[in-house]
Amino acid sequence: EVQLVESGGGSVQPGGSLRLSCVVSGVTFSNYAMGWVRQAPGKGLEWVSGISGSGGTSYYADSVKGRFTISRDNSENTLSLQMNSLRSDDTAVYYCAKDEAWGSGSYSGFDSWGQGTRVTVSS
Amino acid sequence: QSVLSLPPSASGTPGQRVTISCSGSSSNIGNNNVYWYQQLPGTAPKLLVYRNNQRPSGVPDRFSGSKSGTSASLVISGLRSEDEADYYCATWDDSLSGPVFGGGTKLTVL
Repeated sequence: EVQLVESGGGSVQPGGSLRLSCVVSGVTFSNYAMGWVRQAPGKGLEWVSGISGSGGTSYYADSVKGRFTISRDNSENTLSLQMNSLRSDDTAVYYCAKDEAWGSGSYSGFDSWGQGTRVTVSS
Repeated sequence: QSVLSLPPSASGTPGQRVTISCSGSSSNIGNNNVYWYQQLPGTAPKLLVYRNNQRPSGVPDRFSGSKSGTSASLVISGLRSEDEADYYCATWDDSLSGPVFGGGTKLTVL
């Protein structure tokens, strides 16, 4: 059974930083692209960032480009999201998600999701 | 405002067939696979349909997906009360160089 467990959420002031982590088990982690998807309170899903299985390619939504950095450690089966210069509109539940496509990745099809970690940006 | 258009709401009675349509363009749905997700209240999204019309194991065959041109559809047959949830379509957008989600459709089972 594939499991994704996120951690690192919390409350932070505008301009602050947080680092989210997601530990993945039950699958050969390096074979799959991974992504982060967020959901602001009462709103829909918003893709944030994605990374290839090797970690060599990453993608970002325009809303976070230059502020967030996605990374992965395939030896530790861990996906991370470093979030800097946080703004109030970054307040959301952040989900890590595993791509459904072995190898090259779809980057929009996620077949396993974590439980989500809440990030609140407020003064 | 998402580049993928979903109706904000849909409804049906138990046993009915409901169709949710996702409208896009040639840079997204027209050229890429479409995925559908179900999100029950307070839970993480769940993949319902992948690559336009494939169902992951464990998803009932009451759920089916299709794609034609720049639109995609999710059909729920034999509607049940537990189908009451938010539904999202998603695909890659070539112009944005990233995936996009539709704004979500809240399905109510009357």
